[in-house]
Amino acid sequence: GNSVTQMEGPVTLSEEAFLTINCTYTATGYPSLFWYVQYPGEGLQLLLKATKADDKGSNKGFEATYRKETTSFHLEKGSVQVSDSAVYFCALSASGQAGTALIFGKGTTLSVSS
Amino acid sequence: NAGVTQTPKFQVLKTGQSMTLQCAQDMNHEYMSWYRQDPGMGLRLIHYSVGAGITDQGEVPNGYNVSRSTTEDFPLRLLSAAPSQTSVYFCASSRRQTAYGYTFGSGTRLTVV
Repeated sequence: GNSVTQMEGPVTLSEEAFLTINCTYTATGYPSLFWYVQYPGEGLQLLLKATKADDKGSNKGFEATYRKETTSFHLEKGSVQVSDSAVYFCALSASGQAGTALIFGKGTTLSVSS
Repeated sequence: NAGVTQTPKFQVLKTGQSMTLQCAQDMNHEYMSWYRQDPGMGLRLIHYSVGAGITDQGEVPNGYNVSRSTTEDFPLRLLSAAPSQTSVYFCASSRRQTAYGYTFGSGTRLTVV
């Protein structure tokens, strides 16, 4: 079945450090891939997405490239800020089990200190 | 454009009580789904719907019922609340072309005592 595995946190960084959060997936067919962010006490917001192999999603300085050969969608940012502190979820949407509802990884907590 | 609206935001129930979590969207989205979020577990799919009159079970459906009589509304019913249902519940909706991504409500924090 479809599944998402992302690196466990927490990830603790200093401001302006480089960020990578690893995400790999298992899916039949050609899923769409997403990163969602959840700030403390809030719901989930779509951060970026990619719908086909080699697509690069980007937003607010974050980037992720859809790598079909390695079934990965790693999230990166060149210089993190304190305001980036949040929980980040990798997710996929693919036909099959659960229709096309999102399947999530368990989330990675990022804490950035000044 | 309100997006996805969930009510209530907070609720405390006694074991055995029943209640309905409301979810409404005004974007004319075909797809809607319910998730629960628990520490260390990420978000797990409870039930989903691909259109009015069509619902199906997700990963953790036991103890919950749903119906989809209109495109806009997708209520989640707890039949007999149990402490294991203490969680934060999120409703989400999407166009049929899910590559656009799902829009989430702000959540309902439920405590069962």
